Amino acid sequence: QQQVKQSPQSLIVQKGGISIINCAYENTAFDYFPWYQQFPGKGPALLIAIRPDVSEKKEGRFTISFNKSAKQFSLHIMDSQPGDSATYFCAASMGGTSYGKLTFGQGTILTVHP
Amino acid sequence: SAVISQKPSRDICQRGTSLTIQCQVDSQVTMMFWYRQQPGQSLTLIATANQGSEATYESGFVIDKFPISRPNLTFSTLTVSNMSPEDSSIYLCSVAGKRGTDTQYFGPGTRLTVL
Repeated sequence: QQQVKQSPQSLIVQKGGISIINCAYENTAFDYFPWYQQFPGKGPALLIAIRPDVSEKKEGRFTISFNKSAKQFSLHIMDSQPGDSATYFCAASMGGTSYGKLTFGQGTILTVHP
Repeated sequence: SAVISQKPSRDICQRGTSLTIQCQVDSQVTMMFWYRQQPGQSLTLIATANQGSEATYESGFVIDKFPISRPNLTFSTLTVSNMSPEDSSIYLCSVAGKRGTDTQYFGPGTRLTVL
């Protein structure tokens, strides 16, 4: 019940295209869903996050779509750039005594070709 | 945002030895965590570092193997004890912002190789 499943494992997109990464969860107690971007040799950096009271959140070229009934959420990267090439992780956490504890998806290696 | 530094950034150690990793934050934070990222894998939470009390470990991780200290609100250490090659991973410190702020930051990680 603690798992977060992420797909695809890898994704190749042409410059200017749309990158879409999907995640699904089982535990309905999760109430916070962040996406992290990680470059080689670096720690993960928070990209964008959403709570289940909204269905979509947009920040620049990055959009999270959230489907509470399906227990799924996705990251859309519009106008993908070579500089977006990195590993992306979705995650989930809950409040209460588990506040701040993140359960991560398996990661997606994104390659954007120029 | 919180700025997190970790020392060392990387190390190569011999089997059976121990390594202590330091995590320093530039501001006082309530919640500090330690994660492990095995080669090419995702991140797994090891434990919550509690200030002034024993750390809270996740399933599969024990204090004897991963002792943690947190003497104040800006500093924590993780020790990887009696290392084996299976401990070769990136170890990451993270901090959570105040409840409700929905922010969590990660340090740059410590890349550990055990021979």
